This record gives sequence, structure tokens and C-alpha cells, in this order.
Amino acid sequence: AQSVTQLGSHVSVSEGALVLLRCNYSSSVPPYLFWYVQYPNQGLQLLLKYTTGATLVKGINGFEAEFKKSETSFHLTKPSAHMSDAAEYFCAVSDDFNKFYFGSGTKLNVKP
Amino acid sequence: EAGVAQSPRYKIIEKRQSVAFWCNPISGHATLYWYQQILGQGPKLLIQFQNNGVVDDSQLPKDRFSAERLKGVDSTLKIQPAKLEDSAVYLCASSGIGAGTDTQYFGPGTRLTVL
Repeated sequence: AQSVTQLGSHVSVSEGALVLLRCNYSSSVPPYLFWYVQYPNQGLQLLLKYTTGATLVKGINGFEAEFKKSETSFHLTKPSAHMSDAAEYFCAVSDDFNKFYFGSGTKLNVKP
Repeated sequence: EAGVAQSPRYKIIEKRQSVAFWCNPISGHATLYWYQQILGQGPKLLIQFQNNGVVDDSQLPKDRFSAERLKGVDSTLKIQPAKLEDSAVYLCASSGIGAGTDTQYFGPGTRLTVL
């Protein structure tokens, strides 16, 4: 069975500071991993995904994530937070049939 | 390219009433998903269609929830009768062929409040 754990339901950073959102997964097979962002009253938008190949994945809006198999992690980072990054972020793992298992989400607050 | 469309955006009903949601996926996408997102939680898959066939409905409460995807295009999700615990956002998503590497594209969701 697949599952995702996101540590920290709320993360607060100052504008310009590093953003680090944690995601650990459990999967019996090599995983496909995704990060989505959700703004208030909107659907989920893909930030980035890892399927195969290079373990450092770059996404939209300056975000990137690194797949670490030995740590079963796929943490999301951004070097410098912007006010517009305030949103809820979801990590997901997919099986071979594209069934997604989502984490419980992390709300990012960016302080001016 | 048009995104995933959902309607209505908001719905308020009394418990024991029925309600239906509609979803139109991205053109050409074979796979369609319905998720339930309860406040403070991640989305939970209710049902997955491949064209007009059901791939996975293991988490769909079949005593009150039903879904169909006629002609393999748009889809409806129905709840009858609704319970208080059904209050949630119902998200529709679609993807190309349903492979593990596919990106799922989400609609804006329907926020259901059951009073």
C-alpha cells in the first residue's frame, strides 16, 4: 500500500526566507511523486513531478524537489519565499494506474 | 486548452436531500477522477473512470454515492441521501491515459455544505 506523510500542517516563513516543506512516502514499488499547490477556493495545480531520471526536479514558480530513495523523501524547497507563495501544498504518490495518494497538506504562511 | 470544468461551484442542502455534481474533463483525456476533500485533509479518491468504465471505486460509499460517465466524456456524481459528514469539496480531475506518470489536472471543485 502507498501512503504519504507531510510533516507540519502549518509552516510560517518570512518573505525572502527559504521554504522547506517535507514529504515522506511509503511505496512498495519505485514511486511516481508529485507536488501540487492549492490556492483558496481553487483546485489543485501541479508544481512538479518525479517519474524517472534526474532526482532533482525543478517546477514552476521557482520550486524544486529532490527524490531521495534512501530516505523515502521528496521535500519541496524554494530559496526565497514570496508573498504569493502563501497557499496549501500537497504531496502525492501515484501507483502504476495513476491512483493518487495525497498527504494531508501543509499550509504555508509568508510573513512580510 | 480549456481546463476541467465543474458545476455548480457551491451547493447548500439539507440532510437527507439529494445533490448532483457535473464534471467535463479536458478534451481527449481518457481518465476521470472524483475526489472528496474534507476541510483540513488531502483529497481522497472516490472513483476513477477509464473512458466510461470504472477502474476503482473501492472508497465510494455505494449506499449513497453514485457516479457515471456516459459516452466516456463528462461525468456526474450524485449523493442520495446526503449526510452531515458529506460536507466537503468535491474535486474532479482528468488525465491522459491513466499511466502512473500522468499528471492529473484538477477542476475548481464544488463546495458542498449539508445542514
